[in-house]
Amino acid sequence: ILNVEQSPQSLHVQEGDSTNFTCSFPSSNFYALHWYRWETAKSPEALFVMTLNGDEKKKGRISATLNTKEGYSYLYIKGSQPEDSATYLCAFPPGGTYKYIFGTGTRLKVLA
Amino acid sequence: NAGVTQTPKFRILKIGQSMTLQCAQDMNHNYMYWYRQDPGMGLKLIYYSVGAGITDKGEVPNGYNVSRSTTEDFPLRLELAAPSQTSVYFCASSPPDNSPLHFGNGTRLTVT
Repeated sequence: ILNVEQSPQSLHVQEGDSTNFTCSFPSSNFYALHWYRWETAKSPEALFVMTLNGDEKKKGRISATLNTKEGYSYLYIKGSQPEDSATYLCAFPPGGTYKYIFGTGTRLKVLA
Repeated sequence: NAGVTQTPKFRILKIGQSMTLQCAQDMNHNYMYWYRQDPGMGLKLIYYSVGAGITDKGEVPNGYNVSRSTTEDFPLRLELAAPSQTSVYFCASSPPDNSPLHFGNGTRLTVT
């Protein structure tokens, strides 16, 4: 089983700050990468599905990029708000399977 | 549309007891998954299934069993509960493509 690495593990930012996190994965046999947002006491909810090298997806103030050759994806949040406080997870299926392995997540706290 | 339904929501077991966590989805998804949430470790894959009659191990299958007799249902069985199985368990489903996973609301299990 491969490792999907996320950094940083946790992050505190002030309201209005922009921030970004990293998800690293093995670059061979890439199929897809998912980003999820996970609020405390709730279930993970999908943000983005990244499939092509150079992909850039955007939803409101949140965007994501993908580099399959070097095996990383960035998630950006512009102008963070307290409601952005959550754990952000990435998930990657090894070897073209549908066995989605999750990273340990980045816990974001946005301070008002 | 109920999505992914997990029962029970909470359960307390004594060491050595057995139980089945139920998961049902009404979206006609081929793929179904069981994850457990370990503190600081994100989500770990226990078992997954690509269709009725087909199951495969994930990252942490020891102590668990699954079956998939129908497309809709994917129960997770704990035969001899141990304190290490105290966790929140999430069931998820997806179509047979790179679409994101749909999660249930989780089952919080405590083994004492």
